[in-house]
Amino acid sequence: NAGVTQTPKFQVLKTGQSMTLQCAQDMNHNSMYWYRQDPGMGLRLIYYSASEGTTDKGEVPNGYNVSRLNKREFSLRLESAAPSQTSVYFCASSEVLAGGSGAVWGNEQFFGPGTRLTVL
Amino acid sequence: AQSVSQHNHHVILSEAASLELGCNYSYGGTVNLFWYVQYPGQHLQLLLKYFSGDPLVKGIKGFEAEFIKSKFSFNLRKPSVQWSDTAEYFCAVSLPFSSGSARQLTFGSGTQLTVLP
Repeated sequence: NAGVTQTPKFQVLKTGQSMTLQCAQDMNHNSMYWYRQDPGMGLRLIYYSASEGTTDKGEVPNGYNVSRLNKREFSLRLESAAPSQTSVYFCASSEVLAGGSGAVWGNEQFFGPGTRLTVL
Repeated sequence: AQSVSQHNHHVILSEAASLELGCNYSYGGTVNLFWYVQYPGQHLQLLLKYFSGDPLVKGIKGFEAEFIKSKFSFNLRKPSVQWSDTAEYFCAVSLPFSSGSARQLTFGSGTQLTVLP
């Protein structure tokens, strides 16, 4: 059981180049997420997919696209990389957790190891 | 939209000192609360979470947090820190699935904890 895996671990791009970050989870979770982590800013949500076949914008979606390929895989694409996209990217997945009296609660997210991207 | 504030950006302690990291959130309704830890070069790991019930939550590695609804706070505590607790700590908030903005975690900016041997 590998949890959440991401490839590549490191990448250096030149401005204007494109690339796709891959993410896969083997926990049979419905929801998957892409975050970026920048110093002093915590993690910010780029896109998420509540279930297979759906995707939604997060807090910072500009310059990115996503594809929920199947239940396991959720990729993040940079069509034309910019230096402002230099960051560490984390993928996460989660499942619905039920509380008492049939209530449906969050959302414990499990994170991958991250991809460190530098755009020159 | 909800927001999360972590007022301590960098905390330096000696081993065996007690730890308290502050976390405040802005949202008037029911929330789910989390503390994550990120050790150097590693991914985020869940320390503890609060969904409902007892507001004093115990997590892994001797950490605990107290949810004080009236103060919109979820502070992280540990009675005696170790050198191995050196890491960055993130507080996060999400709304229950019954709300419109479900499934998104909003993170604080993080607190870097350095424990001196």
